[in-house]
Amino acid sequence: GQNIDQPTEMTATEGAIVQINCTYQTSGFNGLFWYQQHAGEAPTFLSYNVLDGLEEKGRFSSFLSRSKGYSYLLLKELQMKDSASYLCAVPLWSGGYNKLIFGAGTRLAVHP
Amino acid sequence: DTEVTQTPKHLVMGMTNKKSLKCEQHMGHRAMYWYKQKAKKPPELMFVYSYEKLSINESVPSRFSPECPNSSLLNLHLHALQPEDSALYLCASSQESPGQGRVYEQYFGPGTRLTVT
Repeated sequence: GQNIDQPTEMTATEGAIVQINCTYQTSGFNGLFWYQQHAGEAPTFLSYNVLDGLEEKGRFSSFLSRSKGYSYLLLKELQMKDSASYLCAVPLWSGGYNKLIFGAGTRLAVHP
Repeated sequence: DTEVTQTPKHLVMGMTNKKSLKCEQHMGHRAMYWYKQKAKKPPELMFVYSYEKLSINESVPSRFSPECPNSSLLNLHLHALQPEDSALYLCASSQESPGQGRVYEQYFGPGTRLTVT
């Protein structure tokens, strides 16, 4: 089975840096996804990590340590529009297919 | 174009009604998904279609009936729903089937906010 843990809520200041952590326990590993979801909107894909290390994509970076079952999403130069939920997700192999299992999400509030 | 479209955006239906949700993608993706999302909860997988065939049914009640008329379209037929079925219904697609090998990112539509009265 899968177990995915993320902090429920975080707050940060505009212009600052914030790190959102995700720990997971899985019987097999086939990568880890991060999605952003603004209130009332669809999740949008941010990153996919399958190998250890840091991947940078503009203001957002994602890190993975497979041995520790740990990932984080790093958001730099925070903007008000970054206020959203951030969902960590891992595929679960079941019945011949990978099903994406989401963590509960971290609600990030960015204030001036 | 990475757009997945869904109609309607909002739907209010009674428990005896029959309605359908529609989803469309023109990215040539071979897998399409239905998710249910309750407020402040993550999306929960309902169905997966791979190459227009139903691959995964997450033990969803039969009052929800999916249909994939072609590779670009996905429907969710609703009948005799309960108030607890009120939620945001999200459609998603991915480049390839979520089988063995690389797992592709899913692109989500804006969702249909369903209220069952």
